[in-house]
Amino acid sequence: GAVVSQHPSRVICKSGTSVKIECRSLDFQATTMFWYRQFPKQSLMLMATSNEGSKATYEQGVEKDKFLINHASLTLSTLTVTSAHPEDSSFYICSAPNRIVAQRPQYFGPGTRLLVL
Amino acid sequence: AQTVTQSQPEMSVQEAETVTLSCTYDTSENNYYLFWYKQPPSRQMILVIRQEAYKQQNATENRFSVNFQKAAKSFSLKISDSQLGDTAMYFCAFMTATGANSKLTFGKGITLSVRP
Repeated sequence: GAVVSQHPSRVICKSGTSVKIECRSLDFQATTMFWYRQFPKQSLMLMATSNEGSKATYEQGVEKDKFLINHASLTLSTLTVTSAHPEDSSFYICSAPNRIVAQRPQYFGPGTRLLVL
Repeated sequence: AQTVTQSQPEMSVQEAETVTLSCTYDTSENNYYLFWYKQPPSRQMILVIRQEAYKQQNATENRFSVNFQKAAKSFSLKISDSQLGDTAMYFCAFMTATGANSKLTFGKGITLSVRP
């Protein structure tokens, strides 16, 4: 199988603080991981592509200084929401493609629910 | 750029019946992959089925099958013998097969409710 874990599953923080979310591929290596944001009943919105050993690639309109991404190893990527504000409250999901599987499907973490007070 | 369209926002089906979820896409590429993902109330994204564009045979996974019409750029999902656990949002997704980029393009999703 292909399992992706995400931690924490839920976090509540005060406005102005920073929050780090971890994404791990548990049984395969991932040179690339993806970070999404999702609002209720809506589709996933790609924020950035995390690349092991190089800088992340951000989608248009996503502030790279606001959402810091670090791909520390072949199994770990982190997303840090810096100086979080209530409008950053959302559901964040990571995914990783398993390149040794046909069609290179992406496997998703269980998501992190962020609430900024 | 690729686009994926899921025009039906919601559907409902009686338990044990069959339902088809529609998806169309637009691309100028000839080789690509298509996926259906399921997102139940837990919000965990689950891969349901996948299809390679150069394979004419429609993919099947147990009660799930697709009708892939490459010329029409259509990729519908058929769920047979619907079960209560099939209640979820379903997303159609496209990925290019060229290069190392595995970026997915998602449709807006459809909310499926299975009635007991």
